[in-house]
Amino acid sequence: DGGITQSPKYLFRKEGQNVTLSCEQNLNHDAMYWYRQDPGQGLRLIYYSQIVNDFQKGDIAEGYSVSREKKESFPLTVTSAQKNPTAFYLCASSPGGTGGNYGYTFGSGTRLTVV
Amino acid sequence: QQQVKQSPQSLIVQKGGISIINCAYENTAFDYFPWYQQFPGKGPALLIAIRPDVSEKKEGRFTISFNKSAKQFSLHIMDSQPGDSATYFCAAKSRGSGGSNYKLTFGKGTLLTVNP
Repeated sequence: DGGITQSPKYLFRKEGQNVTLSCEQNLNHDAMYWYRQDPGQGLRLIYYSQIVNDFQKGDIAEGYSVSREKKESFPLTVTSAQKNPTAFYLCASSPGGTGGNYGYTFGSGTRLTVV
Repeated sequence: QQQVKQSPQSLIVQKGGISIINCAYENTAFDYFPWYQQFPGKGPALLIAIRPDVSEKKEGRFTISFNKSAKQFSLHIMDSQPGDSATYFCAAKSRGSGGSNYKLTFGKGTLLTVNP
């Protein structure tokens, strides 16, 4: 079955540590996204990528970094510069282009907690 | 800067009732308006979507009503069931060029509880 796989489901980070969240898709989608979800805040865009080797900052990119070396993969690193990283992180993908299909497919999320 | 305003923040409905969630926007460049449903601990899933050239779209018990002049759209859930209890997000996509073609702007979400 095609879909998006996020791992791990739960992640604990110590103060000052960098951690990387994995996101893999087998939908052959061009575009991929990372969102952060906090209670009462909705979904806020961290980074997005339209094609391999290209990505853009979203609304809350500070303290985060990404790479897009393969079409299927879009890992997110939460660096020690992110002061409040505890949140639910969602990865999504979409076909991209101008074909008219703009629906996002989301992964099941990674819950990151600072300990 | 909140480009899509969603209300109410939470909603309690009795089984069999109608659930109504509203969204408003300012950006006239938005050209695609999806609704997503999210259960606890899961990612959101696309429920239904509409383009501004139609005023209503229905899929089963779910209907989107769209008012282009008022820049508002709403989700109606008919015959609401306890299994519909979830968080619902409205969203909008801009027809802008380049990267903005791909970004969805989300509302803050509505927590729907359907009592049995």
